[in-house]
Amino acid sequence: QVQLQQSGPGLVKPSQTLSLTCAISGDSVSGNSVTWNWIRQSPSRGLEWLGRTYYRSKWYSDYAVSVKSRITINADTSNNQFSLQLDSVTPEDTAVYYCTRQKGAFDIWGQGTLVTVSS
Amino acid sequence: DIVMTQSPDSLAVSLGERATINCESSQSVLQSSQNKYCLAWYQQKPGQPPKLLIYWASTRESGVPDRFSGSGSGTTFSLTISSLQAEDVAVYYCHQYYNLPHTFGQGTKLEI
Repeated sequence: QVQLQQSGPGLVKPSQTLSLTCAISGDSVSGNSVTWNWIRQSPSRGLEWLGRTYYRSKWYSDYAVSVKSRITINADTSNNQFSLQLDSVTPEDTAVYYCTRQKGAFDIWGQGTLVTVSS
Repeated sequence: DIVMTQSPDSLAVSLGERATINCESSQSVLQSSQNKYCLAWYQQKPGQPPKLLIYWASTRESGVPDRFSGSGSGTTFSLTISSLQAEDVAVYYCHQYYNLPHTFGQGTKLEI
């Protein structure tokens, strides 16, 4: 079955870059009927969609307006994974971050990574 | 952005009784080409990611017990648990995938 395994640091200093990776098993990051997304969850913001990447003859990415100037989501076909990079973080970026597959709805989720932004 | 509003924020139901959670979208989420509503329901237990229960407003995900059902049309949708079990205690979220950005309801906490 399809599984997503997240990795990355749980503590990031203010103004630095948050980087997370999501390794895919049982599906292909280049699949042409799915998208690969990052979502975060915090008590103040609830579930917040951050962005996605997907392949339809070429690679596309879409981002939430709230983070558009700071976010990059990339696919790594060699390792069948995708990544999140969020620049210039502040304490407001503290949240549990999830990677997800969208096939219609979000049907597969990673285990979640609590990322705390603190010095 | 499409705003998703759930009601109630919390709900206490006895074991074996029916639980209904409502979700209203600020605009239509009907995908005309397929005549389907782009509306999903998730269950989240503490320390776990959300789990997909229902998609296209009323289609149960594989493996989800049939006591869970989704309904609705227009901009009003419902998730019903026909006979509450102890393991159904969780927070439930609705989600629209009609357009970007994806948006979620604020969540409904279901207790016994």
